[in-house]
Amino acid sequence: AQSVTQLDSHVSVSEGTPVLLRCNYSSSYSPSLFWYVQHPNKGLQLLLKYTSAATLVKGINGFEAEFKKSETSFHLTKPSAHMSDAAEYFCVVSDRGSGNTPLVFGKGTRLSVIA
Amino acid sequence: DAGVTQSPTHLIKTRGQQVTLRCSPKSGHDTVSWYQQALGQGPQFIFQYYEEEERQRGNFPDRFSGHQFPNYSSELNVNALLLGDSALYLCASSSGTGGAKTQYFGPGTRLLVL
Repeated sequence: AQSVTQLDSHVSVSEGTPVLLRCNYSSSYSPSLFWYVQHPNKGLQLLLKYTSAATLVKGINGFEAEFKKSETSFHLTKPSAHMSDAAEYFCVVSDRGSGNTPLVFGKGTRLSVIA
Repeated sequence: DAGVTQSPTHLIKTRGQQVTLRCSPKSGHDTVSWYQQALGQGPQFIFQYYEEEERQRGNFPDRFSGHQFPNYSSELNVNALLLGDSALYLCASSSGTGGAKTQYFGPGTRLLVL
């Protein structure tokens, strides 16, 4: 069974400073890992995805995440926050090795960006 | 290229009623998954449809049922609505099943049960 723990429910940063959103996962098989972003009253947008290639994954809008198997982590980072980054972020796991598997979401981290 | 579309955008129902939500997948996608997102929570998997059959189901009661049509569009039906069914219902589509497939989400249908 898979599970995801997002270690912070709320992160607040100043505009132009780095962003770090933390995620730990548990998976019975080789995991696929995703980060999705949800702006208020909007659907979910895929930021980036790890399936088995490079452990450092680059996504849209300057975000990236590093898969660390030994730490079972998949933290999301961005060098410099922008006001438009304020949103809810979800870390998501799926079992890549098995057949039909759903996405399992974390509870989300709300990112606030202060001007 | 149209993304995933859902209708209606908002819906208000009363307890005990039945509701049908609709989803059209992204062009070229054949698999549709449905998720429920309660306020302040992450989405939870309801079920997935592929080749017009329910392939996998999450921990939801039988009041939640679905259908997939030959054109890959899908419906989510909820019977005997409860107050706790108030949530954002998200549809996601992908090309095939499997854990490595990227799922693309629609904007959701917000259901309020009074």
